[in-house]
Amino acid sequence: GEDVEQSLFLSVREGDSSVINCTYTDSSSTYLYWYKQEPGAGLQLLTYIFSNMDMKQDQRLTVLLNKKDKHLSLRIADTQTGDSAIYFCAEGSRNTGKLIFGQGTTLQVKP
Amino acid sequence: SAVISQKPSRDICQRGTSLTIQCQVDSQVTMMFWYRQQPGQSLTLIATANQGSEATYESGFVIDKFPISRPNLTFSTLTVSNMSPEDSSIYLCSADNNYGYTFGSGTRLTVV
Repeated sequence: GEDVEQSLFLSVREGDSSVINCTYTDSSSTYLYWYKQEPGAGLQLLTYIFSNMDMKQDQRLTVLLNKKDKHLSLRIADTQTGDSAIYFCAEGSRNTGKLIFGQGTTLQVKP
Repeated sequence: SAVISQKPSRDICQRGTSLTIQCQVDSQVTMMFWYRQQPGQSLTLIATANQGSEATYESGFVIDKFPISRPNLTFSTLTVSNMSPEDSSIYLCSADNNYGYTFGSGTRLTVV
């Protein structure tokens, strides 16, 4: 069945780059998403990538997609303490609207 | 992108009672979704709320426990019925928009 896997924890120093990785199994996914969840808050859509793209850049965020390996990564440049949160990757089909989420990666940014 | 107002933001409920959660979207959307996030866990889709027809439930979720209404293209409710402590979770609604899926701020439910 469909499955999305993420590492659970990442710790970086302020100013460094963070790379959060995700693997998925459903080759029919049309979109892949990154969401951010701060403590006590809902989910904020950070960015998404269409499955026929390899890379997408949006300010400090870079998403890389390796379709062959079904691997997705989110790179945050110049990581700040305000980036500390849980990051979820999700795969989905625009036809069904159903999203399958990974377990979430807790990003800890040390000053 | 669509903005979703969800309420209540949190509640503490007695076991055996029911709670209705509301989501209002600031624009018309075709699909709305309800998710559950159990403590320390990821999000699991409960159901897709369809306007004008019954909701479509995922495996493990049933209408008697989680009745859903979708009276128009901007509003939906989820009721958590006959609650037990195992229902303590964050419940989130979501809506499709042209740029991905927007989520409400969530309802943090504690059942005592």
